[in-house]
Amino acid sequence: GENVEQHPSTLSVQEGDSAVIKCTYSDSASNYFPWYKQELGKRPQLIIDIRSNVGEKKDQRIAVTLNKTAKHFSLHITETQPEDSAVYFCAPRGRNTGFQKLVFGTGTRLLVSP
Amino acid sequence: GEEVAQTPKHLVRGEGQKAKLYCAPIKGHSYVFWYQQVLKNEFKFLISFQNENVFDETGMPKERFSAKCLPNSPCSLEIQATKLEDSAVYFCASSLGTAQNTEAFFGQGTRLTVV
Repeated sequence: GENVEQHPSTLSVQEGDSAVIKCTYSDSASNYFPWYKQELGKRPQLIIDIRSNVGEKKDQRIAVTLNKTAKHFSLHITETQPEDSAVYFCAPRGRNTGFQKLVFGTGTRLLVSP
Repeated sequence: GEEVAQTPKHLVRGEGQKAKLYCAPIKGHSYVFWYQQVLKNEFKFLISFQNENVFDETGMPKERFSAKCLPNSPCSLEIQATKLEDSAVYFCASSLGTAQNTEAFFGQGTRLTVV
């Protein structure tokens, strides 16, 4: 099956700093690369996604970059704010899972200090 | 509906009792997924459906867990003879499932506590 790893597992930054979370995956046929944000006690919510024909996508302070050759994609958050504090999950989708199952990474806890 | 609706929000069961969780996917979505999230935050995939058919059940502990998605009814996840380690938040998600639109939307989850 798909093997998905995230690094780092925890990340502490000061408000205004940038944060980068990396996700590596094993299925070279993966074609959809989303990032989810889960606040404490809440459901995971999609914050940004990218497809395999695109290398980078931005949405205000967040961006995702994809390196298909190296099989990893990264979440970039600039000008972090305390409300960015949450657990972030990558969940690539590939052929090994019939392109229909999200296999979640292990999660990265981001803490943004004021 | 426009949101994945899960009921109940909280469920407490004594060890050995049965637990049944429900999920109403977003109208028009073909795929339904069940995930188990324990305290360590990791999401464990349990099962997925394409309409009322099981699509992938590789994550299901088959001895005590079962799930159904019947037409015109909420999907359900049933745990027979619950154990302490079944305590977790169970999330349901649905997606359109087309090549162009694969975003999965999650319900608010059901927190199951086995005592």
